[in-house]
Amino acid sequence: AQTVTQSQPEMSVQEAETVTLSCTYDTSESDYYLFWYKQPPSRQMILVIRQEAYKQQNATENRFSVNFQKAAKSFSLKISDSQLGDAAMYFCAPTTFGGATNKLIFGTGTLLAVQP
Amino acid sequence: DSGVTQTPKHLITATGQRVTLRCSPRSGDLSVYWYQQSLDQGLQFLIQYYNGEERAKGNILERFSAQQFPDLHSELNLSSLELGDSALYFCASSEARGELFFGEGSRLTVL
Repeated sequence: AQTVTQSQPEMSVQEAETVTLSCTYDTSESDYYLFWYKQPPSRQMILVIRQEAYKQQNATENRFSVNFQKAAKSFSLKISDSQLGDAAMYFCAPTTFGGATNKLIFGTGTLLAVQP
Repeated sequence: DSGVTQTPKHLITATGQRVTLRCSPRSGDLSVYWYQQSLDQGLQFLIQYYNGEERAKGNILERFSAQQFPDLHSELNLSSLELGDSALYFCASSEARGELFFGEGSRLTVL
């Protein structure tokens, strides 16, 4: 069974600075994707970035990038030039494929505060 | 707008009652997932349907059931409600591979 660990319950960053959120996971699968979702106070779940495990290149999406270490089963999220709108709960979620099952298993989340 | 529609957005009911939450997936998505998020908690996977068939089951209570209809919309039925069932219930849909697209959630309050 998959497990996901987000060891930082809360983080804080100054506006315009950079912050890294950590995530480790355990899976026996070889074919999987990894996602970061954010949940702002509106409670909407918003996809931030995704990484295919078979790709060696780390995914980047504007100010968001990941450091994917497959052997270590680590998948951290870096937010550059932090903005007030980045304040949210961030969830790491790996998924697996097989028989059209694509469920995500979410970590417990990291609450990010952005200080002006 | 994710394209996933959930109704109702808010629901208040009493213990022992039964409610039905409804979800319409994105156009073309065959998979529907249900998640429960209790206060200040992460998302717990409940169940997945793919083209009308149950495909994966998580920590779903026996008092809860779900189904996916031929038009691909899904319903989550919660019965014999308890105070602890108060939560935000998310529906999500996806293609065969890739990210899940979430609805805005249905907030259930059991008094």
